[in-house]
Amino acid sequence: GAVVSQHPSRVICKSGTSVKIECRSLDFQATTMFWYRQFPKQSLMLMATSNEGSKATYEQGVEKDKFLINHASLTLSTLTVTSAHPEDSSFYICSARADSEQYFGPGTRLTVT
Amino acid sequence: EDKVVQSPLSLVVHEGDTVTLNCSYEVTNFRSLLWYKQEKKAPTFLFMLTSSGIEKKSGRLSSILDKKELSSILNITATQTGDSAIYLCAVLGGSNYKLTFGKGTLLTVNP
Repeated sequence: GAVVSQHPSRVICKSGTSVKIECRSLDFQATTMFWYRQFPKQSLMLMATSNEGSKATYEQGVEKDKFLINHASLTLSTLTVTSAHPEDSSFYICSARADSEQYFGPGTRLTVT
Repeated sequence: EDKVVQSPLSLVVHEGDTVTLNCSYEVTNFRSLLWYKQEKKAPTFLFMLTSSGIEKKSGRLSSILDKKELSSILNITATQTGDSAIYLCAVLGGSNYKLTFGKGTLLTVNP
């Protein structure tokens, strides 16, 4: 099946710094990638839809200036959490669409101290 | 607003029991319903259901979609401790293949 990777798998950063998370589709091209956030004991919440070569579409309540998404190629999308705060600590998961299925990356655990 | 509701939210059973997990939805432009299993990391795909009334089966797991009732069930027979996980139901819909997730059912299988 299709494989999606994320890097890093775990990151700890200080409040006020920025963190970049990469999402790659390893053996297929993904015109659309999705970014989700999952807080402890809660379900996945879609943050934004990333389309290659165009601006991301953000869900209501997600700050586009804080969560910068770049989908520069058909195999790579990045999420940058700018000026991170402790409340941004979460599990961030990307997925890439192949045909009508979505394949998930392994996730990135972000801890902001 | 698109909505996916799962029940129960948590369930504790003994090995060998059979469980049924429920998922109901209200989604615009429904395309398909997906079930995922999530352990410690990202969800892993179990089933995708598009047509009503057709059961998908994989080993001890099976699932069926009822488009008239806007719902789906996931059955697990002869449960094992390795089945302990959160089971997520998600519905694909909208113009951009957006996945809307339910809150999940936390299944705990005790030996």
